[in-house]
Amino acid sequence: AQKITQTQPGMFVQEKEAVTLDCTYDTSDQSYGLFWYKQPSSGEMIFLIYQGSYDEQNATEGRYSLNFQKARKSANLVISASQLGDSAMYFCAMRGLDSNYQLIWGAGTKLIIKP
Amino acid sequence: KAGVTQTPRYLIKTRGQQVTLSCSPISGHRSVSWYQQTPGQGLQFLFEYFSETQRNKGNFPGRFSGRQFSNSRSEMNVSTLELGDSALYLCASSRRDSNTDTQYFGPGTRLTVL
Repeated sequence: AQKITQTQPGMFVQEKEAVTLDCTYDTSDQSYGLFWYKQPSSGEMIFLIYQGSYDEQNATEGRYSLNFQKARKSANLVISASQLGDSAMYFCAMRGLDSNYQLIWGAGTKLIIKP
Repeated sequence: KAGVTQTPRYLIKTRGQQVTLSCSPISGHRSVSWYQQTPGQGLQFLFEYFSETQRNKGNFPGRFSGRQFSNSRSEMNVSTLELGDSALYLCASSRRDSNTDTQYFGPGTRLTVL
């Protein structure tokens, strides 16, 4: 069975500091994809970044980067130079080759950026 | 390029009623997935439609149903509403042309059942 674990229910971070949101996963699939989404209080789920299991380099998208450690089955999201607008829920999700296209979701981490 | 749209954004119903939610995907996207999000259960997959066919279904009772039209727009219906159906319903669209493609979400419909 596939599973995503986000161990940090909530985090407070000072503005302009970097922040790392943890995500570990469990899957028996050889090929899979890992996704991070941001959900502000408005409710919309915003796609941030994707990492494929066979990608040799860590994914980056602007201030977002993914620290992918395949052997440890972790896919942590790093946000550099945090901004007040980064305050939101962050979800890690995974889809395996055999998952029938279904995304498996973590419980999320609530990030609050302090001014 | 327009994003995923969902209507209505907010809905208040009473127990026993039925409700229909609508989702218009990004142009060119043929897959629409529906999710239910509640504080207690988190994000749960309802079903996915691709080319007017239901491809996958989550673990929800038969009161939850959906369909997809030839223009890829999708509707989901919940009959005989229960208090526990109060939730944010999110739909997501994608091309579904590879296992690595990305689902893009709409703003959601917030359903309150009284």
